[in-house]
Amino acid sequence: DADVTQTPRNRITKTGKRIMLECSQTKGHDRMYWYRQDPGLGLRLIYYSFDVKDINKGEISDGYSVSRQAQAKFSLSLESAIPNQTALYFCATSEGTSGIETQYFGPGTRLLVL
Amino acid sequence: AQSVAQPEDQVNVAEGNPLTVKCTYSVSGNPYLFWYVQYPNRGLQFLLKYITGDNLVKGSYGFEAEFNKSQTSFHLKKPSALVSDSALYFCAVGAGNMLTFGGGTRLMVKP
Repeated sequence: DADVTQTPRNRITKTGKRIMLECSQTKGHDRMYWYRQDPGLGLRLIYYSFDVKDINKGEISDGYSVSRQAQAKFSLSLESAIPNQTALYFCATSEGTSGIETQYFGPGTRLLVL
Repeated sequence: AQSVAQPEDQVNVAEGNPLTVKCTYSVSGNPYLFWYVQYPNRGLQFLLKYITGDNLVKGSYGFEAEFNKSQTSFHLKKPSALVSDSALYFCAVGAGNMLTFGGGTRLMVKP
């Protein structure tokens, strides 16, 4: 969905390096999410934010941190990358006005940690 | 905690034949159920969702899904498969404002 963009689309880094993945959205949604996708495991939630002042840990937050710089921007950081963080990372947004809303996904960032 | 199972890693079907991709769920309270599709090098795209009401939900690209509360299932169906339907399909259950995804099922439609 072009309304949710992620940069970079592909990244190769080395063990121990700090890396930041960025997500921007033009949908005007309050809620933003970071997931990682691994083969056979589906998508697992890393962090989520219901508004600029609200950050919450997801299922697998260890080794990750996030920053919600504005309503439209939500960044994911790996402070010291390790090989098992090699995965496909997705950002998503939702309106969050009532109950469970449809989430809209960015195109993903493919990360390889050597 | 909620969970989703997609028992088939891959489903193979011939073009023109009906297809079914299976999904079962576990959740406390009323389930909110979703299907998403992922094409190569793309993000997930929303197909359809069940919140309440009619057990048969119609979605994008001719897909539909049937909610069965007694069997805790939400199978994705299409009457006539197209080669272009080949993709990775994810079922998800929502509860407590969170989505939990299944492991995905790869659908291969052969000409």
